[in-house]
Amino acid sequence: DAKTTQPNSMESNEEEPVHLPCNHSTISGTDYIHWYRQLPSQGPEYVIHGLTSNVNNRMASLAIAEDRKSSTLILHRATLRDAAVYYCILQNSGGSNYKLTFGKGTLLTVNP
Amino acid sequence: SAVISQKPSRDICQRGTSLTIQCQVDSQVTMMFWYRQQPGQSLTLIATANQGSEATYESGFVIDKFPISRPNLTFSTLTVSNMSPEDSSIYLCSAYGTGLTYEQYFGPGTRLTVT
Repeated sequence: DAKTTQPNSMESNEEEPVHLPCNHSTISGTDYIHWYRQLPSQGPEYVIHGLTSNVNNRMASLAIAEDRKSSTLILHRATLRDAAVYYCILQNSGGSNYKLTFGKGTLLTVNP
Repeated sequence: SAVISQKPSRDICQRGTSLTIQCQVDSQVTMMFWYRQQPGQSLTLIATANQGSEATYESGFVIDKFPISRPNLTFSTLTVSNMSPEDSSIYLCSAYGTGLTYEQYFGPGTRLTVT
């Protein structure tokens, strides 16, 4: 599986935008970029995913570099509830393998 | 979307015993997975629970230690056998394949402490 690299931790202030980076230089053409987050004492939850184009949903935006070797998860206005570990995961769309391989993720702290 | 429940939510067990964790999904799903999350660590995939056939285990995990059943499209169990303190972890069930979404849904986890 292609690997991802994320900063161990980041800090943000409430109501400010947060940009969480992810490097995936060995990404293949059929790898989707997924983001999940894990709130304290909960199971992970899906945030967003994309292949080549930037994506927006109600939770966040995903900006994908033109060469697809990096991406950025954007939280437009951080809230205290966004404090979590954010995981950037590559998932190959080929075949029927839908398992997720979690890295260490980025621990986001949101200051009031 | 899918809602996943796990039983028990937590347990304290003695070494040498076994514990079976149940995972129930509120809708039929294509695939179910079991993960382990050791204290302060990320999630590690244990196995894919296959409906009607033997589970597919990841490297480092074996059927004798972690037998898995999946009798239908909404239910799976994971047994942690002959437990040792090193098995103290959170065990999470996940499911994929509800409709046309790419989301994988996770249960709340079962916190296991082995003494």
